[in-house]
Amino acid sequence: DAKTTQPNSMESNEEEPVHLPCNHSTISGTDYIHWYRQLPSQGPEYVIHGLTSNVNNRMASLAIAEDRKSSTLILHRATLRDAAVYYCIPKAAGNKLTFGGGTRVLVKP
Amino acid sequence: NAGVTQTPKFQVLKTGQSMTLQCAQDMNHEYMSWYRQDPGMGLRLIHYSVGAGITDQGEVPNGYNVSRSTTEDFPLRLLSAAPSQTSVYFCASRRRGQLADEQYFGPGTRLTVT
Repeated sequence: DAKTTQPNSMESNEEEPVHLPCNHSTISGTDYIHWYRQLPSQGPEYVIHGLTSNVNNRMASLAIAEDRKSSTLILHRATLRDAAVYYCIPKAAGNKLTFGGGTRVLVKP
Repeated sequence: NAGVTQTPKFQVLKTGQSMTLQCAQDMNHEYMSWYRQDPGMGLRLIHYSVGAGITDQGEVPNGYNVSRSTTEDFPLRLLSAAPSQTSVYFCASRRRGQLADEQYFGPGTRLTVT
């Protein structure tokens, strides 16, 4: 599995965008980049995933570097409900999820 | 759909006791798995199953047994509880197949072993 590097924590103000970086320089060509988040006292929740092109859904956007060695999860307008630990997980389709430490996002009102 | 359900929500055991954590899903997912999460840590895979009758070990399988007699249910058995098994346990499921990669997690079971 590719190793990932994420900041331990980030702070944001409510209604402002949040950019969460993830470095995965050892990613293989068949690894998708997955993002999950875990709200306090809850199980992880799928956010988004992509392979090469940037991806958007109702929760977030995923920007993938051209060399695929890094990616950024973008929350366009953070709300208090977005306070969570965000995990970046590169993995091949069908393989098991491997969770690292993630980034704890704090949203200030 | 109820999604992935887990029971109980909380459990306290004494060292040496055994118990079964229940997990069920109503999405007809082939793939199910169990994770544990220790305080301040990420999740670690205990056991997983790719379909009824098929199970395999994950990263931290010692002290746990699983079976998969139906598609819907995937119970996790603690054979002889130890304080090191104090953790939050999450069950997850997803469809099998290369393009079906979104995993759904249950709400967790918080287990304390004294």
